[in-house]
Amino acid sequence: GQSLEQPSEVTAVEGAIVQINCTYQTSGFYGLSWYQQHDGGAPTFLSYNALDGLEETGRFSSFLSRSDSYGYLLLQELQMKDSASYFCASSNAGKSTFGDGTTLTVKP
Amino acid sequence: DVKVTQSSRYLVKRTGEKVFLECVQDMDHENMFWYRQDPGLGLRLIYFSYDVKMKEKGDIPEGYSVSREKKERFSLILESASTNQTSMYLCASSFLQGSSGYTFGSGTRLTVV
Repeated sequence: GQSLEQPSEVTAVEGAIVQINCTYQTSGFYGLSWYQQHDGGAPTFLSYNALDGLEETGRFSSFLSRSDSYGYLLLQELQMKDSASYFCASSNAGKSTFGDGTTLTVKP
Repeated sequence: DVKVTQSSRYLVKRTGEKVFLECVQDMDHENMFWYRQDPGLGLRLIYFSYDVKMKEKGDIPEGYSVSREKKERFSLILESASTNQTSMYLCASSFLQGSSGYTFGSGTRLTVV
């Protein structure tokens, strides 16, 4: 089976840095993806890590350690618009299993 | 602008009805997926397809079936709708290797009464 664990809620202030962790237990693991979902909207793809290390895309970075079955999403210079749910997802032969999501609240 | 289009944003159906949810993508993706999303439960995979005429069960296929007659279209069928199938249904597509992530449709919020 596949399972992913991530915190249910995180709160941070505007301009701060926040890290959302994800641990996974999967068979046939290919890589770890991150998605953002605003209230009432569809999930949108943020990043994908297949290899160990850090991937940076603007204010967002994602990290993977395959040996620790662990990854995180790092959001820098937080803005109010970053308030959303964030999902990690493990890829296995083209299909993904999603975590339950982390609700990020950014306060002024 | 590439997209995944789900035919209905909101649907209300009666218990026992046969329900069809349609999804069309214009990106020539091989993979298509149906998920349902419920509060606190994340996204759960119902069915997926890697190619035309091909389908695979996901984690929660009971009470559902799918059809993929053309590469761009993937339909989810609720054979006999029940109240516990009230949910947000999300269709997604991706390239075969999946490293570029999924593109999701806007979702269909189905209420079964």
